[in-house]
Amino acid sequence: DVKVTQSSRYLVKRTGEKVFLECVQDMDHENMFWYRQDPGLGLRLIYFSYDVKMKEKGDIPEGYSVSREKKERFSLILESASTNQTSMYLCASSFLGETYEQYFGPGTRLTVT
Amino acid sequence: GENVEQHPSTLSVQEGDSAVIKCTYSDSASNYFPWYKQELGKRPQLIIDIRSNVGEKKDQRIAVTLNKTAKHFSLHITETQPEDSAVYFCAPGAGTALIFGKGTTLSVSS
Repeated sequence: DVKVTQSSRYLVKRTGEKVFLECVQDMDHENMFWYRQDPGLGLRLIYFSYDVKMKEKGDIPEGYSVSREKKERFSLILESASTNQTSMYLCASSFLGETYEQYFGPGTRLTVT
Repeated sequence: GENVEQHPSTLSVQEGDSAVIKCTYSDSASNYFPWYKQELGKRPQLIIDIRSNVGEKKDQRIAVTLNKTAKHFSLHITETQPEDSAVYFCAPGAGTALIFGKGTTLSVSS
C-alpha cells in the first residue's frame, strides 16, 4: 500500500518567515511533486523532481524552492512567506515511466498571517 | 503550455441518474488521460485512466471516453450514489507532469 506522508496537517506562520514543508514516500518512486490547491483553481504544479538533486519548475514556482537530497524525501521551501501563499499544499509521487498515476499525501493547510 | 478546461464546474443529480463531465485540452502531445476524485477533506485519488491508443475504458459504474481528434475526454458515472459526491479532476499529461483541470463538484442527492 502506497504511503505518502506530509510533515504537518496544519501550519500557521508569520509573514516573512522561512517555511519548510516535507513529504516522504515509501514506494521507491522516482517522481515527486508539489502542488497548491485553492478553491476554484484546481491543483497547480509548483515544482517536481524526477531524481535525487534534480528539479523542474511547474506552472507557479515563484516564491518557492525545493530540495531533494534523498529519493524518498521532497521538501518545499517558502523563503519568505507571504499572505498570498496561504493555501493547501499537496505532495504526490509516482513511478518513472508509462503509468503516471500520482499518489497524493494528505495535504498541509498553511496559513500565513 | 497546456490549457485544460472542465465542464460543468458544478453538477447536481438525483441518486440513480447518470453524470457526465467533459475535459478539453490543447496539447496534441498529451497521451495519458486520467480522472481523479477528491472527497471532502481527503486527498485526490485516481479512479480511472485511459491512454491515447484506446477510445473507451469502463470500470463498473464509471467509464472514460476519449476523442483525440477533438481533444477532449469525458468521465461517465452511471447509477450515481451519494458516495459519488466529490470533486472530480481531469489531468491530461504527456510525460512526467500532469496538468489538472479546475475541478467539477458533483452532488448526488438521495
